[in-house]
Amino acid sequence: KAGVTQTPRYLIKTRGQQVTLSCSPISGHRSVSWYQQTPGQGLQFLFEYFSETQRNKGNFPGRFSGRQFSNSRSEMNVSTLELGDSALYLCASSSTGDGNTEAFFGQGTRLTVV
Amino acid sequence: QKEVEQDPGPLSVPEGAIVSLNCTYSNSAFQYFMWYRQYSRKGPELLMYTYSSGNKEDGRFTAQVDKSSKYISLFIRDSQPSDSATYLCASNDYKLSFGAGTTVTVRA
Repeated sequence: KAGVTQTPRYLIKTRGQQVTLSCSPISGHRSVSWYQQTPGQGLQFLFEYFSETQRNKGNFPGRFSGRQFSNSRSEMNVSTLELGDSALYLCASSSTGDGNTEAFFGQGTRLTVV
Repeated sequence: QKEVEQDPGPLSVPEGAIVSLNCTYSNSAFQYFMWYRQYSRKGPELLMYTYSSGNKEDGRFTAQVDKSSKYISLFIRDSQPSDSATYLCASNDYKLSFGAGTTVTVRA
């Protein structure tokens, strides 16, 4: 069974640009959550999608957005990039996303903003 | 205050030692608890998943949850150099709330 796939693995962008990251969950999983990991703040929740609907959102500015497609694949977009957006962006896949099933992570996309 | 607190270490032990990792949490509603292992430049890998209080064992790994004291533990027996990684505790309601992660080094 294939795991969670995130593309691309690495990205370098300049300030002010926008970026789109992609996540393909485990087959049959309908929940995809996105997290930002930085050395200072650790892992922080961005948002969660289930059946194409955003169910929950963390405390991030509106520059961070996402969507989910009918095949459960998800994308997140960051507009007007800032240096502080440099981080490892991780997506997690679970069957229900409501806490009572395991969540599995992809390898992450490492974003560097210069 | 973070919902899940974890001492970031670092923790260094000789090969074969028992590694003991601990977290505390503040949200009484938490019922599901997880331990993830993260190697450098990789995504977190789910190690243990437990529900409510009690112990769960999987090979050399034992997870303990004490809901009365809001305490989560992970024990690694007969530690190996390949266990060197960052270990993250987490609890899940609608999102995963993570501890800061403890960096463990097992010396050969």
